[in-house]
Amino acid sequence: QKEVEQNSGPLSVPEGAIASLNCTYSDRGSQSFFWYRQYSGKSPELIMFIYSNGDKEDGRFTAQLNKASQYVSLLIRDSQPSDSATYLCAVNGGHTGTASKLTFGTGTRLQVTL
Amino acid sequence: GAGVSQSPRYKVAKRGQDVALRCDPISGHVSLFWYQQALGQGPEFLTYFQNEAQLDKSGLPSDRFFAERPEGSVSTLKIQRTQQEDSAVYLCASSRLDSPLHFGNGTRLTVT
Repeated sequence: QKEVEQNSGPLSVPEGAIASLNCTYSDRGSQSFFWYRQYSGKSPELIMFIYSNGDKEDGRFTAQLNKASQYVSLLIRDSQPSDSATYLCAVNGGHTGTASKLTFGTGTRLQVTL
Repeated sequence: GAGVSQSPRYKVAKRGQDVALRCDPISGHVSLFWYQQALGQGPEFLTYFQNEAQLDKSGLPSDRFFAERPEGSVSTLKIQRTQQEDSAVYLCASSRLDSPLHFGNGTRLTVT
């Protein structure tokens, strides 16, 4: 079992809809959770991070964390064609601090259609 | 500089050649990480420096891989006797202590 699992997609949503990206992790000691966006041929770009159970909102993005279920998700409201990219879930595997070693999932490719 | 800078952007090496990949982190960033990203996969951890100290090299796939950061700033990832399976994008990331990572644009290595 991979430490961080994501559906590879592609996940296709129409413009203006809500995109829901999901991620599960295996290490119960994980403390910090990150979502990165990666356009084709580019480097990962941090979208959001979350430490506590519940929701964290930033503009059109909402991260949701449920440590009991070992589940973290990213919701993108009012999806735009520019949101089309691969979204990487990353987990800090039980180390203190946010700058510690991250374990990444394989990413979910999102396509926002016109 | 404004961001993490990596060079070269692209490198083609013949099997058996040695390569050196450079990373210039954001000024003042104490932590520096190297990751390897194969096509269609997420980044995989290679090694971590805090200043000049290499605190974790558990992700280096073999003893052909070596990384250094002698003055706590610029880092070099060296791969000796390259093999085809080394073909990947090598990403460098830096951060302040206990802050999220900022990635460079990576070096795409192709071993022929």
